[in-house]
Amino acid sequence: ETGVTQSPTHLIKTRGQQVTLRCSSQSGHNTVSWYQQALGQGPQFIFQYYREEENGRGNFPPRFSGLQFPNYSSELNVNALELDDSALYLCASRPDRGWGYTFGSGTRLTVV
Amino acid sequence: ELKVEQNPLFLSMQEGKNYTIYCNYSTTSDRLYWYRQDPGKSLESLFVLLSNGAVKQEGRLMASLDTKARLSTLHITAAVHDLSATYFCAVDSGNTGKLIFGQGTTLQVKP
Repeated sequence: ETGVTQSPTHLIKTRGQQVTLRCSSQSGHNTVSWYQQALGQGPQFIFQYYREEENGRGNFPPRFSGLQFPNYSSELNVNALELDDSALYLCASRPDRGWGYTFGSGTRLTVV
Repeated sequence: ELKVEQNPLFLSMQEGKNYTIYCNYSTTSDRLYWYRQDPGKSLESLFVLLSNGAVKQEGRLMASLDTKARLSTLHITAAVHDLSATYFCAVDSGNTGKLIFGQGTTLQVKP
């Protein structure tokens, strides 16, 4: 059973809208990362947070933004949705002492 | 920029056979991860390899890491149908926590 939960599991949005995806990590997991996985491809790194500060970002435009909260939850916000944003969005967390990342079950976003 | 390449991308094999999936990466890294993904599901962690020469085994799967050759292998012994899935390797870019994934290898094990 994964210690990382994501909500919602599925979501349909219209092009141009905004969306917020949520992730809840295990206690003590101060590092959280977000990934986008298009169909048939490997996950692509969006950004990473450590103790509520962004400390790494992939090649995604500024309309992808995030927040991390002290209670080990985090959010991924995407503005001005485009059709190509349709994908599985995964969050992953890691404890301070340890190198293994635990992935959540993901949110399947469809933009129409 | 770090690139990670897996081969083969698709593998169809008979139950009971052995095979190896290869993961090459382009720049130095000391951390390599293997994940399994079933259709429509999330990523399940299989192995974390943290040093040159690291070898880990779990059931019919064994992973190894050669940081000098920038190569990791995932060896499947006596495959069974339950191993059918897509397998990803991922390399920690600059040891920053940014994982760069390979394209994935879809394994189909036939009875």
